[in-house]
Amino acid sequence: QKEVEQNSGPLSVPEGAIASLNCTYSDRGSQSFFWYRQYSGKSPELIMFIYSNGDKEDGRFTAQLNKASQYVSLLIRDSQPSDSATYLCAVNWYGNKLVFGAGTILRVKS
Amino acid sequence: NAGVTQTPKFRILKIGQSMTLQCTQDMNHNYMYWYRQDPGMGLKLIYYSVGAGITDKGEVPNGYNVSRSTTEDFPLRLELAAPSQTSVYFCASRTGTENTEAFFGQGTRLTVV
Repeated sequence: QKEVEQNSGPLSVPEGAIASLNCTYSDRGSQSFFWYRQYSGKSPELIMFIYSNGDKEDGRFTAQLNKASQYVSLLIRDSQPSDSATYLCAVNWYGNKLVFGAGTILRVKS
Repeated sequence: NAGVTQTPKFRILKIGQSMTLQCTQDMNHNYMYWYRQDPGMGLKLIYYSVGAGITDKGEVPNGYNVSRSTTEDFPLRLELAAPSQTSVYFCASRTGTENTEAFFGQGTRLTVV
């Protein structure tokens, strides 16, 4: 069983819409979760991290965590063409083993 | 502040050759990671280290070796390169707490022919 799963997409949304990205993980003991954005040919860069159940907001981005259901999501409000990228979910496992999902390609159409 | 530095940026290897990918960080981070990213895919963890002298296997360690003799350096060794090792390799580091950001190097694009 894969440890971190994401829908590979591509997810296409019109400019100004809300993009919803989802991630599930297999280890109930995982404590912290990260969303990274990666532009083509570039290194991943952190958008947000979350470790408590509920929502965490930062500007146009909201991370949601539900440990009982073992999923974490990222909402992007007022999506812009510059948000077009691959979004990687990462889960911190025991011993600080940081494991990534396969990523979801997001395309924002203007 | 250089952050995480990887060398080389590009390399072409012939099947059966060996090489070392270098990774250095100047942020005094305890944790360091090596990932590979195949085209259109996510990051797969090869090896990681929680401090000098301590390394552990990740998801795809076969065909690779690592060492961590200092806090700053975490080289990745490829022995007997195979076409399946053609990929982009990323090194990352972070401090010793789990809720902290991992900083990535620029990546090494390796082609095995």
